Amino acid sequence: QKEVEQNSGPLSVPEGAIASLNCTYSDRGSQSFFWYRQYSGKSPELIMSIYSNGDKEDGRFTAQLNKASQYVSLLIRDSQPSDSATYLCAVHTGGFKTIFGAGTRLFVKA
Amino acid sequence: GAVVSQHPSRVICKSGTSVKIECRSLDFQATTMFWYRQFPKKSLMLMATSNEGSKATYEQGVEKDKFLINHASLTLSTLTVTSAHPEDSSFYICSAWTQDQPQHFGDGTRLSIL
Repeated sequence: QKEVEQNSGPLSVPEGAIASLNCTYSDRGSQSFFWYRQYSGKSPELIMSIYSNGDKEDGRFTAQLNKASQYVSLLIRDSQPSDSATYLCAVHTGGFKTIFGAGTRLFVKA
Repeated sequence: GAVVSQHPSRVICKSGTSVKIECRSLDFQATTMFWYRQFPKKSLMLMATSNEGSKATYEQGVEKDKFLINHASLTLSTLTVTSAHPEDSSFYICSAWTQDQPQHFGDGTRLSIL
């Protein structure tokens, strides 16, 4: 069964620190990878997409992909209390199928 | 960016009522729409996958006669919760997808059955 694994957390970091969120996936043929942010009581919001090995930066967010290790991560620099949310890793495995991880809860302490 | 509109955002109704939720893709044609359910502090649970013009594919354990899905066009899918009961109370979220795009989610519908 194709899987996407995340540490459920909570991950707690002080304001201004770097938050590092990790995700592993089982389907080696996966090509597209996404990070979503979900605030409590709200629906998921896409924050990053990454398709090739290496780093992709967007503002305070950096996504990292290593297909050989089947590993994708999200770094949040200068973490703010407003970054406190659940972060979902999603992997597009082919066709129309996207597998979501269970999410990592992040708390940024002021 | 892509926008998916979901309506209504909140429904409170009596047990036995049927509730229809609409999901519209506003600025792209979605070949596939997904319906999820989420209980408090729990993961997204995929209920069904809906392709335009064909019958929805339901995940194991989801009753197709209870959760009716219609995907009449490339921009509209509806979920009808028939004869809803308190245990159907949950947060229902749709998403829209097309080739080479990530899924984009609607704002969700909070359903409360009294």
